[in-house]
Amino acid sequence: AQSVAQPEDQVNVAEGNPLTVKCTYSVSGNPYLFWYVQYPNRGLQFLLKYITGDNLVKGSYGFEAEFNKSQTSFHLKKPSALVSDSALYFCAVRDKAGTASKLTFGTGTRLQVTL
Amino acid sequence: DAGITQSPRHKVTETGTPVTLRCHQTENHRYMYWYRQDPGHGLRLIHYSYGVKDTDKGEVSDGYSVSRSKTEDFLLTLESATSSQTSVYFCAISLGQEQETQYFGPGTRLLVL
Repeated sequence: AQSVAQPEDQVNVAEGNPLTVKCTYSVSGNPYLFWYVQYPNRGLQFLLKYITGDNLVKGSYGFEAEFNKSQTSFHLKKPSALVSDSALYFCAVRDKAGTASKLTFGTGTRLQVTL
Repeated sequence: DAGITQSPRHKVTETGTPVTLRCHQTENHRYMYWYRQDPGHGLRLIHYSYGVKDTDKGEVSDGYSVSRSKTEDFLLTLESATSSQTSVYFCAISLGQEQETQYFGPGTRLLVL
């Protein structure tokens, strides 16, 4: 069975500093990996995905993620954090069993960016 | 929110009562999903649909049923609500060449007393 782990419940970073939110995965076969962000009282918003190709994937709002097959990781990064980036971030992996694309989510990492 | 609406947005109900949540989409997407979000668990798939009258179970389907009688609506029913079903429920559709990317609705916050 596939799984995703987000080892940090919370990440604190000062505005202007680089940020990293960690994600490791376990799947059989080639992984399809995703990052989503959730702002308070909102639904999840898609940030970026890795399917194939370049290991560095660029997404919305200046975020990027690095796929590392040997370490089975897909860490989310941003060169310079903003206070407005404070939110809950979810990593997910796709299982294409049958005809639908079902996602397995990590437990989430809360990012707190302070001035 | 990808043209997805959910109703109601908030609901308080009592244990043992039936509850139906509605997910509505306006763009004829074939695949629709229901998830629940709970602290410490992230999102977990309840049921999904791959067409009208075509549904299947997800990871946490016990106590839930779904129906999809037309493309635009995917209903989630709690036949007899329990306190353990207090949660935030999200509907999603999928897009992409392989239907790989999911987009989520705004959610329904359900409290079962």
